Amino acid sequence: AQSVAQPEDQVNVAEGNPLTVKCTYSVSGNPYLFWYVQYPNRGLQFLLKYITGDNLVKGSYGFEAEFNKSQTSFHLKKPSALVSDSALYFCAVRAYSSASKIIFGSGTRLSIRP
Amino acid sequence: GAVVSQHPSRVICKSGTSVKIECRSLDFQATTMFWYRQFPKQSLMLMATSNEGSKATYEQGVEKDKFLINHASLTLSTLTVTSAHPEDSSFYICSAISREGAPLHFGNGTRLTVT
Repeated sequence: AQSVAQPEDQVNVAEGNPLTVKCTYSVSGNPYLFWYVQYPNRGLQFLLKYITGDNLVKGSYGFEAEFNKSQTSFHLKKPSALVSDSALYFCAVRAYSSASKIIFGSGTRLSIRP
Repeated sequence: GAVVSQHPSRVICKSGTSVKIECRSLDFQATTMFWYRQFPKQSLMLMATSNEGSKATYEQGVEKDKFLINHASLTLSTLTVTSAHPEDSSFYICSAISREGAPLHFGNGTRLTVT
């Protein structure tokens, strides 16, 4: 069975500092991995994805994520946080099988203080 | 980029009435659409998966007679909450996917309040 874990409910970072939002996954076979961001009362916006290729994936708004197969992790990172990055972040996974569903993590609220 | 339009963004209805929510893919053909429900400060709960021209596949615990899903074309799916009750009040979000491996594209959600 597929699963995604986001171990931190909340991450607090000072503006200008690097940020990391953690995600680990469990899936049979090779995974598709995604990060999404949600602002209040809005749907989710796609940030980046890993399907194959380079383990370091670059996405929107300066975010990047590193796929680590041995640790089954896909942590989201940004070198220098902005106050406007404050939002709810979701990690998601889907197995290669076309019948498999996309499973979302529980979400991590990122708060960037000025 | 791919755009999914969800309408209405907010609806208030009386208990016992039905509400229809529309989800449209504006610039791509959506082979599959998904309907999620999100409770406050919680993750998305997948309600059902719909493929164009076929019956929706509902997740365990989701009443198919209460949450009617129609996916009549490659660009439109609708969710109808029938005989709504206050416990159906929630944030409903649709998403669409164009092909295998592509990311989901989400609508902006519908805030349903049943009084």
